[in-house]
Amino acid sequence: DQQVKQNSPSLSVQEGRISILNCDYTNSMFDYFLWYKKYPAEGPTFLISISSIKDKNEDGRFTVFLNKSAKHLSLHIVPSQPGDSAVYFCAATAYTGTASKLTFGTGTRLQVTL
Amino acid sequence: AAGVIQSPRHLIKEKRETATLKCYPIPRHDTVYWYQQGPGQDPQFLISFYEKMQSDKGSIPDRFSAQQFSDYHSELNMSSLELGDSALYFCASSAKLAGGLYNEQFFGPGTRLTVL
Repeated sequence: DQQVKQNSPSLSVQEGRISILNCDYTNSMFDYFLWYKKYPAEGPTFLISISSIKDKNEDGRFTVFLNKSAKHLSLHIVPSQPGDSAVYFCAATAYTGTASKLTFGTGTRLQVTL
Repeated sequence: AAGVIQSPRHLIKEKRETATLKCYPIPRHDTVYWYQQGPGQDPQFLISFYEKMQSDKGSIPDRFSAQQFSDYHSELNMSSLELGDSALYFCASSAKLAGGLYNEQFFGPGTRLTVL
């Protein structure tokens, strides 16, 4: 039962253009969402997060949008750079009072071409 | 800035052997999480500890156990290893914010376990 889904396994974008990575979730208890970037042989690196009380959060070139009614979030990277090429994981969690485990999507491999 | 440290980075074991993976969280982080990532899969939550107490348990086999020590480092003990245990094992840490809200989890580089 995949509660967090990233339906595009790969995405290719030209340098300087916008990259849009999408993520859908099914569990309505999720109230905090995160995006991680992962290079081979390294651990996931935290990029940006958003609470369910917001619909947008921006940090430099990265913006995350949340549509709660559609249970959908997206990560926008503008402008895309070759160093952005990596696997991007969407993750979700529900507040439990202590340690809140992350449920990950299956990842989208982004390739930024010159 | 200090990051999460995991050791060893690579480990090769035979079937039915045991393995111990170690995790040193970011200083002042009180919560540790363990995740398993199989080939081509997303990371799957195994277990977590908050203030040295187990706080949540995911799809962790009974052959695995873990604990968090007084210095907040954590160890994942794996016994009777099977071929299917070959995976990347990530540790993550976070700090509980004032007010009880969660914080982002920061991941270590992972331990690649290969069971032959």
